[in-house]
Amino acid sequence: EVQLLESGGGLVQPGGSLRLSCAASGFTFSIYAMTWVRQTPGKGLEWVSGISGSGGRTYYADSVKGRFTISRDNSKNTLYLQMNSLRADDTALYYCARDGLDSLGSWYAAGDYWGQGTLVTVSS
Amino acid sequence: EVVMMQSPATLSVSPGERATLSCRASQSVYINLAWYQQKPGQAPRLLIYGASTRATGIPARFSGSGSGTEFTLTISALQSEDFAIYYCQQYNYWPPRTFGQGTKVEIK
Repeated sequence: EVQLLESGGGLVQPGGSLRLSCAASGFTFSIYAMTWVRQTPGKGLEWVSGISGSGGRTYYADSVKGRFTISRDNSKNTLYLQMNSLRADDTALYYCARDGLDSLGSWYAAGDYWGQGTLVTVSS
Repeated sequence: EVVMMQSPATLSVSPGERATLSCRASQSVYINLAWYQQKPGQAPRLLIYGASTRATGIPARFSGSGSGTEFTLTISALQSEDFAIYYCQQYNYWPPRTFGQGTKVEIK
């Protein structure tokens, strides 16, 4: 069974840092691209960042570029999101998700499995 | 950035009736579009990818159609567990992958 379990959220002051983790199980983690998506009541779902299976390619939304770093440790089946210079508008529920692979072996850039999310609150 | 627009914002439907949800992209995304269902307190669940391919385990009453800039999610006969918020997401031009603002399907 595919499982994704996020952790590391919490309350942090503006300008602070936080590292989120996403522990994966039930599939061959190293071959799947992974993403982080966040959700707020006001802005809905927002794609944050993505990383290839090997970790060699990373992608970011403009809103987090230069402040957030996505990475992965395939030996630990874990995805990370290092968040620096946090702002109030980074407050959200952060989900990790796995990119999909169809029955013909083609990848598609939509999340076929999601974790339950970890809440990040940026406030003084 | 591709802007995704969903309509209506809220759809009131009786159980057993058909629901039709729309999603429009600001430029062509071909068939690189997904639909998700989200219930309160839960993560999004993938329903459709490639505009019309049902994800694993998704009932046949969910169907997707469209290409280019206009897409539709149809739920043929709404069941109680289908009342939720539905989002579309394009993955043709990214980063960033972009979501619509959602359509809430509520009980009439």
